[in-house]
Amino acid sequence: SQTIHQWPATLVQPVGSPLSLECTVEGTSNPNLYWYRQAAGRGLQLLFYSVGIGQISSEVPQNLSASRPQDRQFILSSKKLLLSDSGFYLCAWSVNTGPQHFGDGTRLSIL
Amino acid sequence: GQQLNQSPQSMFIQEGEDVSMNCTSSSIFNTWLWYKQDPGEGPVLLIALYKAGELTSNGRLTAQFGITRKDSFLNISASIPSDVGIYFCAGQTRGSARQLTFGSGTQLTVLP
Repeated sequence: SQTIHQWPATLVQPVGSPLSLECTVEGTSNPNLYWYRQAAGRGLQLLFYSVGIGQISSEVPQNLSASRPQDRQFILSSKKLLLSDSGFYLCAWSVNTGPQHFGDGTRLSIL
Repeated sequence: GQQLNQSPQSMFIQEGEDVSMNCTSSSIFNTWLWYKQDPGEGPVLLIALYKAGELTSNGRLTAQFGITRKDSFLNISASIPSDVGIYFCAGQTRGSARQLTFGSGTQLTVLP
């Protein structure tokens, strides 16, 4: 069966520091991959999605970037974090016409 | 862009009561999905609906894909304490990566 792993689960970073959040999927090939941000337990905002290695689409202009170096690996990055980057970051996967399945998220706090 | 209106925003019910929540859209969707999110965790898929008019059950949960393709509802029967959480609807359209449009969520509280 398919599983999705996100890490770290929580992260506290100072303003201006870099960021790297990682997501990996197991048990499937060529998944669609997604990064979302959720504020205050509501409203999932799609940040990036990818349909294949090296293919990234950005939904919202921001201080973040995404990369997909391997088929089942999706990375969310920033060179310099802002206070407004705080939030709950969720990775998700889907295949073909199927629904999206989410990881357990990373709680990011910027100080 | 597409928007989903999910209601109610929050609900307080007694254990054993039935619950109903719904989502409406100004646009047509090809798939409706219902998720539940517990605090500090990612949303978990409850029910997926793929055809207009489809009625699908998952245990005590029942969801329907509206005939107009612009709405969906979720019912929970005989609520129990572990039903507490935030319920999200999501609509999916055809296209690359099949992005989802999410409702704003319904916070459900079950009182003993």
